[in-house]
Amino acid sequence: NAGVTQTPKFRILKIGQSMTLQCTQDMNHNYMYWYRQDPGMGLKLIYYSVGAGITDKGEVPNGYNVSRSTTEDFPLRLELAAPSQTSVYFCASSYSGTLSYEQYFGPGTRLTVT
Amino acid sequence: AQSVTQLDSQVPVFEEAPVELRCNYSSSVSVYLFWYVQYPNQGLQLLLKYLSGSTLVKGINGFEAEFNKSQTSFHLRKPSVHISDTAEYFCAVSLPLNRDDKIIFGKGTRLHILP
Repeated sequence: NAGVTQTPKFRILKIGQSMTLQCTQDMNHNYMYWYRQDPGMGLKLIYYSVGAGITDKGEVPNGYNVSRSTTEDFPLRLELAAPSQTSVYFCASSYSGTLSYEQYFGPGTRLTVT
Repeated sequence: AQSVTQLDSQVPVFEEAPVELRCNYSSSVSVYLFWYVQYPNQGLQLLLKYLSGSTLVKGINGFEAEFNKSQTSFHLRKPSVHISDTAEYFCAVSLPLNRDDKIIFGKGTRLHILP
């Protein structure tokens, strides 16, 4: 199993551009999450999904959109990139059936908006 | 609402010395507690978790944590650290039986191992 994979690893965007951060998991997990990590601030939840076709906002959803058309994929869309979106983005997944409550994280995407 | 406070943003410790990373939580209901570790330029991985039962929880790489309900704490300890333990450590809390497994993370404690 590859686990949770994210692409790209790094990206530089100009203000106002848009992009999609890709996230795929091959563990058949039903729950998926997007976080952003800023220095000294821990992780903040952007959006999450409890299954295909179901998404919900987290703590910091403004400026982002998500979709979940399959169990495996959970892309994060940035429209009109702003410098405040410079961050490291992590995708994670978990499986509700085991009641283990463990989230599995991808390696992250480092995004700079200038 | 639940919250997590990690009392130290950075902890320097000499190699082979013991270490304790402190975590306090706030919640009006019972919670699940976790410690995650993030090695440089990597994602997070689970070190250990407390769901119920014994309050002393053992995790990977020789780490352990003790759940103390009266002090609302979940401090992480290791009796002898190694240079490979250099990482950022995150304490986190979740609600039992929540429908989405959402976790609230603390701000992290960076562990520096001194030679």
